[in-house]
Amino acid sequence: GENVEQHPSTLSVQEGDSAVIKCTYSDSASNYFPWYKQELGKRPQLIIDIRSNVGEKKDQRIAVTLNKTAKHFSLHITETQPEDSAVYFCADTAGTYKYIFGTGTRLKVLA
Amino acid sequence: SQTIHQWPATLVQPVGSPLSLECTVEGTSNPNLYWYRQAAGRGLQLLFYSVGIGQISSEVPQNLSASRPQDRQFILSSKKLLLSDSGFYLCAWTPARTGAMNTEAFFGQGTRLTVV
Repeated sequence: GENVEQHPSTLSVQEGDSAVIKCTYSDSASNYFPWYKQELGKRPQLIIDIRSNVGEKKDQRIAVTLNKTAKHFSLHITETQPEDSAVYFCADTAGTYKYIFGTGTRLKVLA
Repeated sequence: SQTIHQWPATLVQPVGSPLSLECTVEGTSNPNLYWYRQAAGRGLQLLFYSVGIGQISSEVPQNLSASRPQDRQFILSSKKLLLSDSGFYLCAWTPARTGAMNTEAFFGQGTRLTVV
């Protein structure tokens, strides 16, 4: 069955520092690994995703890395800015129709 | 282009009253549809999902139900609301699966429900 664990639950970093959030999944059928950002009172929106045939993907200051052997994928945000403050969710579908989200990480970027 | 509509944006209901939240998707056919609930400061809990008309999968046994009377319409209902039903309800859709791998989920604006 599907299960996705996300850590840490909260993360505070100084502006300009890097932030890393990690998710661990359990089903070897998982093939799609997205990350969503949810600002306060808003809907979650996709910020980056990766598929199982790629080990790393980068888009400006954000990147996602995938370790299929260890069954975990991570979100990396470099040169953090105050507008990066939000709740971040990973998700897993285990190759099925079910779209399960991690428990979320509240990121605070301190100016 | 595809759009998703969810209403109402906010709702205050007394305990024991019924509930009906509606979500519609435009610009696509046979989408996979989802209802999530988010308690204050918490994660996204999958409540129901549907891969076709009349096909509903329930993830959490509770006093809520879902229906899909039309291809692009997804309704969340309750006969009698509980205080614990308060939260931020989000509808989402993903493109129909035709052997392709999973893709991005697109969310509606959400309904903030307060049960009093």
